[in-house]
Amino acid sequence: SQKIEQNSEALNIQEGKTATLTCNYTNYSPAYLQWYRQDPGRGPVFLLLIRENEKEKRKERLKVTFDTTLKQSLFHITASQPADSATYLCALIDIDDMRFGAGTRLTVKP
Amino acid sequence: EADIYQTPRYLVIGTGKKITLECSQTMGHDKMYWYQQDPGMELHLIHYSYGVNSTEKGDLSSESTVSRIRTEHFPLTLESARPSHTSQYLCASSDYTGTGNTIYFGEGSWLTVV
Repeated sequence: SQKIEQNSEALNIQEGKTATLTCNYTNYSPAYLQWYRQDPGRGPVFLLLIRENEKEKRKERLKVTFDTTLKQSLFHITASQPADSATYLCALIDIDDMRFGAGTRLTVKP
Repeated sequence: EADIYQTPRYLVIGTGKKITLECSQTMGHDKMYWYQQDPGMELHLIHYSYGVNSTEKGDLSSESTVSRIRTEHFPLTLESARPSHTSQYLCASSDYTGTGNTIYFGEGSWLTVV
């Protein structure tokens, strides 16, 4: 069965460091992968999209990589700030099917 | 900011009551969704719609029903609420033009059934 796994544990890092979140998947061939941010009690907000033929995508302090051979995406936040603290979800899209991971909770400490 | 609105944001109701969660979007999106999410847990798709008069069940079985009479409106109804329905319900929409479309979520409706 299709499975999406994100960092199983919450991630705690110091302000200024780079946060790296992982999204692994099995039995799936997504054409696109997206990352969302979700704050407590709010709906997810779209951050970045990367296509299967793209290796890397950047947006300001965010960087996403997509390795279809390893079936893995990495999400990096450089120069992290306490305001980056949230849960980050990856979503895999193939044709008309979209599936979310359970998310990784990131806490950036001052 | 996404133009998708949910009401009520918070609701506490008694067992057996009928409840409708409202969702409206002003972006003219064809595709709309309802997700259920318990605190700290993953999103589960319970209903979606491709457009007016289209409704489909999602991956997670739900006792709720939906309707899509107008493009902008996608209400979710529970005919007889039970404590097991206590959860956060998230409405979302996207342009249905194929893959890679951004999903815009509402702020969510927190339902507590006592």
